[in-house]
Amino acid sequence: QQQVKQSPQSLIVQKGGISIINCAYENTAFDYFPWYQQFPGKGPALLIAIRPDVSEKKEGRFTISFNKSAKQFSLHIMDSQPGDSATYFCAASYNTDKLIFGTGTRLQVFP
Amino acid sequence: NAGVTQTPKFQVLKTGQSMTLQCAQDMNHEYMSWYRQDPGMGLRLIHYSVGAGITDQGEVPNGYNVSRSTTEDFPLRLLSAAPSQTSVYFCASTRTPGQNSPLHFGNGTRLTVT
Repeated sequence: QQQVKQSPQSLIVQKGGISIINCAYENTAFDYFPWYQQFPGKGPALLIAIRPDVSEKKEGRFTISFNKSAKQFSLHIMDSQPGDSATYFCAASYNTDKLIFGTGTRLQVFP
Repeated sequence: NAGVTQTPKFQVLKTGQSMTLQCAQDMNHEYMSWYRQDPGMGLRLIHYSVGAGITDQGEVPNGYNVSRSTTEDFPLRLLSAAPSQTSVYFCASTRTPGQNSPLHFGNGTRLTVT
């Protein structure tokens, strides 16, 4: 049972472009929404996270947009760089560290 | 600090064999967990532990056993490996359960069951 749906499965962006990855969740009890970045051969690492009391969080070129009424959140990568090429996972949890992950998006940024 | 260390990095098993995937962390984290990563399936929680002596099941616990005798170690046991257990396994830890603190992942064990 997939509680967090992520799209697209893969994404190809030119250097300098904007990468957008979307996630939707079902459980309204979720209160923590992180994004993880994974490079080949490595474990995922926390990139940025948001709680439902704010609609947007920005850290450098990375922004999370959160729409509580639609039960959706998205990751925007501005000025995408080849070094951003990785797999990105959205996740959600409620009052626990039992994170429920999305299925992942493989991002490729070409020069 | 080494962080979260997983061994081995690669393993090939025959159906029916048993093995233990090792996970150790040196950050004095209370919470530890095991995930498996499969193409198109994301990361799915197998088992987790909120402290020494305490373990619980995640989304996909069947075929796996865990124990937590120390804060540092959280081994994952496959008692009778099946081809469906071919996957990449990740161990993760975090400081305080229930505080939504970041999960720190190891670099994974790639397991193939033939």
